[in-house]
Amino acid sequence: GQNIDQPTEMTATEGAIVQINCTYQTSGFNGLFWYQQHAGEAPTFLSYNVLDGLEEKGRFSSFLSRSKGYSYLLLKELQMKDSASYLCAVNRGSQGNLIFGKGTKLSVKP
Amino acid sequence: EAGVTQFPSHSVIEKGQTVTLRCDPISGHDNLYWYRRVMGKEIKFLLHFVKESKQDESGMPNNRFLAERTGGTYSTLKVQPAELEDSGVYFCASSQVAGGYGYTFGSGTRLTVV
Repeated sequence: GQNIDQPTEMTATEGAIVQINCTYQTSGFNGLFWYQQHAGEAPTFLSYNVLDGLEEKGRFSSFLSRSKGYSYLLLKELQMKDSASYLCAVNRGSQGNLIFGKGTKLSVKP
Repeated sequence: EAGVTQFPSHSVIEKGQTVTLRCDPISGHDNLYWYRRVMGKEIKFLLHFVKESKQDESGMPNNRFLAERTGGTYSTLKVQPAELEDSGVYFCASSQVAGGYGYTFGSGTRLTVV
């Protein structure tokens, strides 16, 4: 079956670093996405990994290991506005139909 | 550039009624996707249009759900008759090319069936 696991909730302090893990087991793999979603809003694209390794984009970095079925999203210099849900999603094929995890709700405290 | 627009943003209907959700994709985006998030569960794929054609509708729950995209522009998702388990947030996304990269999501329609 298809399965994507990520922690339900995490709490971190403003200015700190937090790592959100995602493990997946899917039939087919054509890239892994991270989205950020604030309550009541649209999920917004953060990162895309299709090859192993680290992709860095400003305060956000994402890592992928295809052999381990594992990814993480790293957020540095946390800000209060980073409080949101973070969704891990796998693209199994060429048509872009994504399988999502349940999301990790991150709370950033002062 | 206008984003993906969905309306209504909220809808409360009684069991057995009909509801139609609408999605306006970004202009020029041939690929349009519908997803749904039921309370406590993950976002799940419903179907994928390429222009006006259904590319993949494997995620549609049952025949009470009907999606259309006449003319390859906006899309509608009709639920008839609605059941309690249809409650959730329905998201639409569009992209210029298939493959997931460059997806833009709408804010969703929160459907409550009572």
